[in-house]
Amino acid sequence: GEEVAQTPKHLVRGEGQKAKLYCAPIKGHSYVFWYQQVLKNEFKFLISFQNENVFDETGMPKERFSAKCLPNSPCSLEIQATKLEDSAVYFCASSQPSQRNTEAFFGQGTRLTVV
Amino acid sequence: AQSVTQLGSHVSVSEGALVLLRCNYSSSVPPYLFWYVQYPNQGLQLLLKYTSAATLVKGINGFEAEFKKSETSFHLTKPSAHMSDAAEYFCAVSDSWGSYIPTFGRGTSLIVHP
Repeated sequence: GEEVAQTPKHLVRGEGQKAKLYCAPIKGHSYVFWYQQVLKNEFKFLISFQNENVFDETGMPKERFSAKCLPNSPCSLEIQATKLEDSAVYFCASSQPSQRNTEAFFGQGTRLTVV
Repeated sequence: AQSVTQLGSHVSVSEGALVLLRCNYSSSVPPYLFWYVQYPNQGLQLLLKYTSAATLVKGINGFEAEFKKSETSFHLTKPSAHMSDAAEYFCAVSDSWGSYIPTFGRGTSLIVHP
């Protein structure tokens, strides 16, 4: 598609439950990024993929967070045993770096509320 | 390593006044620089970008930014604020060599008074 599609738009989970978020990058983009935005503040980088390979995961809290980008499937971000502090908007972005196109294109985000 | 500092978490201007949002960056390699805007409950929309061509970059909605290497700055300006410009603005830097992962500043909330 021509835009990054994130589903669902809203997700409510009880503390300790699992949450799974999906992202379909723009067709032809080989890089996918996940960011966490808490309280409209900074965008915390979580993880990036180059195609289906993890490119950089320095921002991932590895104990409970995992992510995948498999061929012919939306990328996913999964949080096992959610905590209240995981409440945030999770943004996915994709890019296809070249001389002319260097920016990341963002989806509308998934708002996760942990209660 | 790269980083972005946005001075001022809130900027308040009157409608019709000049808008100036400040951004300073740190990068060990030639950077790509971006300004994004986020309207309430929306994702990020690219306003403009610097990719080592012209140092004065014009973007959408009348915004522009000037890359100043000596000052490591990329401040965003608009000559005349409009009510519809009220939003959160994020400056970002990415590595021109390799990682392409944008690093964001903490954002500046632009408030426009009638």
